[in-house]
Parts: sequence; C-alpha cells; structure tokens
Amino acid sequence: DQQVKQNSPSLSVQEGRISILNCDYTNSMFDYFLWYKKYPAEGPTFLISISSIKDKNEDGRFTVFLNKSAKHLSLHIVPSQPGDSAVYFCAAVPRIQKLVFGQGTRLTINP
Amino acid sequence: EAQVTQNPRYLITVTGKKLTVTCSQNMNHEYMSWYRQDPGLGLRQIYYSMNVEVTDKGDVPEGYKVSRKEKRNFPLILESPSPNQTSLYFCASTGGRTGELFFGEGSRLTVL
Repeated sequence: DQQVKQNSPSLSVQEGRISILNCDYTNSMFDYFLWYKKYPAEGPTFLISISSIKDKNEDGRFTVFLNKSAKHLSLHIVPSQPGDSAVYFCAAVPRIQKLVFGQGTRLTINP
Repeated sequence: EAQVTQNPRYLITVTGKKLTVTCSQNMNHEYMSWYRQDPGLGLRQIYYSMNVEVTDKGDVPEGYKVSRKEKRNFPLILESPSPNQTSLYFCASTGGRTGELFFGEGSRLTVL
C-alpha cells in the first residue's frame, strides 16, 4: 500500500522554464511534508518542507504547494537550471519515526 | 563537518555470508534510521532508532538486524544475506521532530 505516490517516474524540462513535480498521498494523518533531492552516487538531501497548516512555502527558486482537500503537493522550480537535474523524492510525516517516501521522479533539465 | 558516514560504499557478497554495514553520525542526533532504495519503490524504511538501546522495525525489517549501543553508531546487520537484499542502502539521522533527515552517501550491496 503506497501511501505516498509520485506518478511520474521522469520529467524533462527546458532550461529557464518551470518544473512542476507532483506527489499524492492517502493518509490524512500526515501533517508535515518534505522534498528531497538526490544526485547520482550521493545520499538524498533535504530541499524544502511544508506543514499541513500552510498551503505554500517558498525558498528561493523552490516553492512547495499543499492542497489538503486533494491530498496533493507539488514542487515548483522556477527558473529551472541544469544543476536541478536529479531525482526528487517527496516524503510525508505522520510522526518522525515513520517518514514515508514516494517512489521518486527523475527530473532532467535540457539546455 | 556535519556528516553521516557509511561503510562500505560498495560490496559484492554471496548468499549466506554475514555482513555489517556501518553508519556513524557526528551531529549528536538521537534519531537514526536505515532505508533501502529499489527501482520503482522509492525509499523504504528498514529499522529506526529513537535513542541508544531503543530500536524498532520499519516497513521492511525482514532479514535485517540493527543495534544502537552508542549514540553515534547504528550498524545494519545482514545475518544471512539473500539476493533479494541486493539494493542501495542509506543511513540517516536527525535531531529534530519534523523529518529533515541527513543522509549518508549510500552503500550499494550486491548479493550473488
């Protein structure tokens, strides 16, 4: 039972355009959501998070949107840069010890 | 430098030969966890530890053991590895409650 789903295994975007990565969840008890970025041969690194009491959180070029009624969150990267090419995982927290990850989306930014 | 260190980074072994993947963090974090990453399945939690001598099963604990005798170390033990344990393993730690984990660089294990 996949409680956190990233339905797009890959995404290709032109440099300078907006990248939108999507994530759906099923458990309404999740109250904190995170995005991690992973380069090849490295461990994932924390990118941005959002609490369920908010619907938007921005950090520079990265913005996470949360739609609780739809149980959907998205990560927007504007403008996309070649260095953003990586695998992105969304994750959800009902409590810290049971952080649940999605399957990941491979983002490729084309020059 | 704050980091989570895993060893070995790469290992090829044979079925049934016991192995240990070490994990050490220098951030005095209480919480540590092991994940495995498999294609199409994302990151799945194997075991976690809330503090010294406190460990609990994650979503896929079968075939694995852990111990937490010291705060900084959280080794993952495969007593009798099998080919279905071929995977990329990540250790992670955090001092916070909101899931902002620090990950190690990963250990790629192949069991023949």
